[in-house]
Amino acid sequence: IQMTQSPSIVSASVGDRVTITCRASQRVRYWLAWYQQKPGKAPKLLIYSTSQLETGVPSRFTGSGYGTEFTLTISSLQPDDIATYYCQQFHSAPVTFGGGTKVEI
Amino acid sequence: EMQLAQSVAEVKKPGESLKISCQGSGYSFSNHWIGWVRQRPGRELEWMGIIYPDDSDTRDSPSFGGRVTISADKSLNTVYLHWTFLMASDSGIYYCVLSTKTPAGTEYFFDLWGQGTLVTVSS
Repeated sequence: IQMTQSPSIVSASVGDRVTITCRASQRVRYWLAWYQQKPGKAPKLLIYSTSQLETGVPSRFTGSGYGTEFTLTISSLQPDDIATYYCQQFHSAPVTFGGGTKVEI
Repeated sequence: EMQLAQSVAEVKKPGESLKISCQGSGYSFSNHWIGWVRQRPGRELEWMGIIYPDDSDTRDSPSFGGRVTISADKSLNTVYLHWTFLMASDSGIYYCVLSTKTPAGTEYFFDLWGQGTLVTVSS
């Protein structure tokens, strides 16, 4: 299953609402996760099963969607959110990731 | 606290063998799937495979064509990634990944990642 993210780069200001889209080449139901990767660090799980927030992740992050189209929204961008975000489907093997969306300020 | 501690960076020549490791702590190592994800510059994250340490049940990604072997030693709480013949295209960062929350009937997502092991293969 191919995962396509858009945009590849988003430039926004502190306090802005930021939306990232992830499209799957086949239906994956709710089985989608989002990760955040800061420069030089390992990815970190943010959201799983489309909308379930991982423990400790700020509530300004929300996920939605079903089937083939999904979104990750940051309701009010903070400086600490500067990172690259990846989606991942876990509906079918092999699990696959999107190409990433870099969020800049 | 759950942690995954990976082995240090490696520099190898093409044709050499390599085994990198990842030690889990702070959870029941034997009873959760643990695997590997590769990251190469400018490329997508690639899932390589996963193992259930208690019985060594292993699931491999066909994308790696049997070039790597995943194994686990539950007495050491450690999972390994092994190459017998490295190629330059194997250069990248290898992350150990843990799956503890994956719902039944689905594949895996990863709620904990190791710090990464940089592998450089160059003549």
